[in-house]
Order: sequence, then structure tokens, then C-alpha cells
Amino acid sequence: QTVVTQEPSLTVSPGGTVTLTCASSTGAVTSGYYPNWFQQKPGHAPRPLIYRSSNKHPWTPARFSGSILGGKAALTLSAVQPEDEADYYCLLFQGGVWVFGGGTKLTVL
Amino acid sequence: QVQLVQSGAEVRKPGASVKVSCKASAYTFSNYGISWVRQAPGQGLEWMGWISAYDGDTNYPQKFQGRLSVTTDTYTSTAYMELRDLISDDTALYYCVRDYNYIMDYWGQGTLVTVSS
Repeated sequence: QTVVTQEPSLTVSPGGTVTLTCASSTGAVTSGYYPNWFQQKPGHAPRPLIYRSSNKHPWTPARFSGSILGGKAALTLSAVQPEDEADYYCLLFQGGVWVFGGGTKLTVL
Repeated sequence: QVQLVQSGAEVRKPGASVKVSCKASAYTFSNYGISWVRQAPGQGLEWMGWISAYDGDTNYPQKFQGRLSVTTDTYTSTAYMELRDLISDDTALYYCVRDYNYIMDYWGQGTLVTVSS
């Protein structure tokens, strides 16, 4: 069973920059894992942010960016706003199936 | 605008089955796939399976094979998820998601399924 690992929690100051990562137990994450990133706030459905590593949806704020960094998928938030406090999930396609990471709880403090 | 509207909350006893619907609008249903994702209370997201609305091709992770069926009705632009032999751990919010070319974009509002004796 493939495991996708994210930081359980991160804290960032308003206006700061933070990078969330997404690692696979099978090895280095590549573009062929088609990473997707989602933001979820309490009581709401997940909101897609990034697809295929680095592509933004029309509604994705410019301060969010995706990349492959050091063998992991990465989501970078720049100029963080208080409303960015949320849970963030990555999703990888590996072994012919989708696997979600466990999520990162981002606190803006 | 693209919308996925799911059926209402369900309560089932252990061992029963549940079928959740997901009606799509404002796009050509048969050109895309639908994934199903669930979230147990206070837990993370779990991908359950995918179906192509074009040809009915399906893909399930091993965990759900034999217990899960996802289907579509292209005439009504509706996808269905049926989960059998329910246990208490199946209590969760179930989402349908438009899924094509490795992109998950539009999500339904979620359907709460409660399994309790």
C-alpha cells in the first residue's frame, strides 16, 4: 500500500512564505504522478488549487504555486493571508490509482 | 457554471448498502470522468474509485474492490456510487468530483452517510 506523506502541521506569519511538501513511499515524485493540491476549510468541500504539479485553476490566487522540489511535490504560499489558514491535501497518481496525502494543517499566526 | 449536486444524507444499519447520486450540469457529461472521495469525521480524504462517463471504464483501489460500484447514466448526466456490506468505519462524507486528464476540478457538496445500529 503506497503512502503519501505531508507535514502534519505548519505555522506561518501573515505576509510570510511557506512551502508544503508531498512525498511518496515509492520514491521520488515526478510530473508523472500528476500532483494535485486542494485547500479545505472547516465545513466545506475541498477547493482545488493546483493540478499537474504546477498548473493553476482559474480561481486559484496568484500567491499559490506548485512545483516538484527535491523529489517531492510542493505547494508554496507567498504573502500569506489570514484566510489561507486551512487544511491542505496533495493527491498523487501512482500505481494506476489516486492516493491522497494525510493533509497539512496550516496555521497563520 | 459547472455543478455537481449530490443526493441527501443517508442512515444505514451495518451490513446494508447505500447508493449516492451525483447530477452534473453545465458541461458535456460524457466527455469527463467522475471520481468518488470520502472523508470520515475529523479525518483526511480517501479516493474510492473512478468511472469514465464516456465508456463506463472503472478504476478502484484494492481496498474497495468487490464492495463498491460506480456507474453513470449519460441520459440524465448522473453518476452513482453504491457501497455494500457497510460497517461503522464507512460513516463519512462522500464527494463526487469531476476527474479528467489527471485533473480533479469540480466537487459535489458532499453526502453524509451514517452507519449505525
